Amino acid sequence: GDSVTQMEGPVTLSEEAFLTINCTYTATGYPSLFWYVQYPGEGLQLLLKATKADDKGSNKGFEATYRKETTSFHLEKGSVQVSDSAVYFCALSPPMKTSYDKVIFGPGTSLSVIP
Amino acid sequence: KAGVTQTPRYLIKTRGQQVTLSCSPISGHRSVSWYQQTPGQGLQFLFEYFSETQRNKGNFPGRFSGRQFSNSRSEMNVSTLELGDSALYLCASSSTVSGNTIYFGEGSWLTVV
Repeated sequence: GDSVTQMEGPVTLSEEAFLTINCTYTATGYPSLFWYVQYPGEGLQLLLKATKADDKGSNKGFEATYRKETTSFHLEKGSVQVSDSAVYFCALSPPMKTSYDKVIFGPGTSLSVIP
Repeated sequence: KAGVTQTPRYLIKTRGQQVTLSCSPISGHRSVSWYQQTPGQGLQFLFEYFSETQRNKGNFPGRFSGRQFSNSRSEMNVSTLELGDSALYLCASSSTVSGNTIYFGEGSWLTVV
């Protein structure tokens, strides 16, 4: 079945460091891919998404590119801030033709950014 | 446009009691799904409703149930609460317009003592 694998962390970085959180997936067809972020004490917020191969999603300085050939959707940010400390979830949703299937989430990666 | 609204935000219940959580989706969204989040198990899918029908169900015991009303609002119920049911319960909604993007509420924090 469909699945999402991501590095679980925790990841600790100094402010202004470069961030990469790896995410790979297994799915049939062309799923949509997402990154969600959860700040302490809050629900999940959609950070960015990509719906087809080679699409790049971006938001708040974060980027991720849908790589069909490597089945990956790695999250990157050039310079992290303390306010980026949160848990990041990679997720996939099957193609619309099978939209009855549920969204599948990775285990989440905890990021701590220290001043 | 209002987001997904969940009530109550925080609640404490005693073992053996039951609890009902409520979720109001984004206006126009007809699909509502529920997730349980715990430190040990991560984010686990409970069930999904679309137009008042349960379309998907996760691997949870029958003590966990839900329903959806004609206005797309949804409730989930947990009966005979156990200590292990302590968790953050998240509701998410989506629509055909939003495609397969789901939007989450802030969650309901349940503590069972």
